[in-house]
Amino acid sequence: DGGITQSPKYLFRKEGQNVTLSCEQNLNHDAMYWYRQDPGQGLRLIYYSQIVNDFQKGDIAEGYSVSREKKESFPLTVTSAQKNPTAFYLCASSIGRQSYEQYFGPGTRLTVT
Amino acid sequence: GQQLNQSPQSMFIQEGEDVSMNCTSSSIFNTWLWYKQDPGEGPVLLIALYKAGELTSNGRLTAQFGITRKDSFLNISASIPSDVGIYFCAGQRRGTSYDKVIFGPGTSLSVIP
Repeated sequence: DGGITQSPKYLFRKEGQNVTLSCEQNLNHDAMYWYRQDPGQGLRLIYYSQIVNDFQKGDIAEGYSVSREKKESFPLTVTSAQKNPTAFYLCASSIGRQSYEQYFGPGTRLTVT
Repeated sequence: GQQLNQSPQSMFIQEGEDVSMNCTSSSIFNTWLWYKQDPGEGPVLLIALYKAGELTSNGRLTAQFGITRKDSFLNISASIPSDVGIYFCAGQRRGTSYDKVIFGPGTSLSVIP
């Protein structure tokens, strides 16, 4: 079955710790995205990558970092510099150029106390 | 800032009723996408629209790309309990790069059996 996996589903961390969220896809998609969702709000773009070894900041990149060393993988690190890290994080992918249809993973709910 | 508006913000309907919701913007869009998100899960793509005036169906769901290209509409016929969730519109705005998709704040749908 092709799809996007995110792990873990729930993640708990202490304030001041960095944490890395996993995102893997086997759809052979070129583009991958990370979004943040807060209660009652839409999705806000954190980072996106159109191709391996390249990525761009989205609208709320501060306090986050990413890497894209493999086509299938796009991990997101939430650093201690992110002031309000508790949120629902969603990873998505799309075929790439000339395609706007994004397909989402199941999400990771991060709680920082 | 917020570039897509969705209305209504929430709705409560009886099972079997038809549902209508819309998505509007002050900007022109080239593509409209409609997603459904179940609680605690990632959004699932329902319908994609690419041409002004286009009307596309997916089962009991029908979506239209507004003639002005500044709005889109989603209708659900004969609602059932599993239609419960948040419906997001998303679009690719004219003049932006292919990979910048903007999401609306969502319409929350509750179905009363």
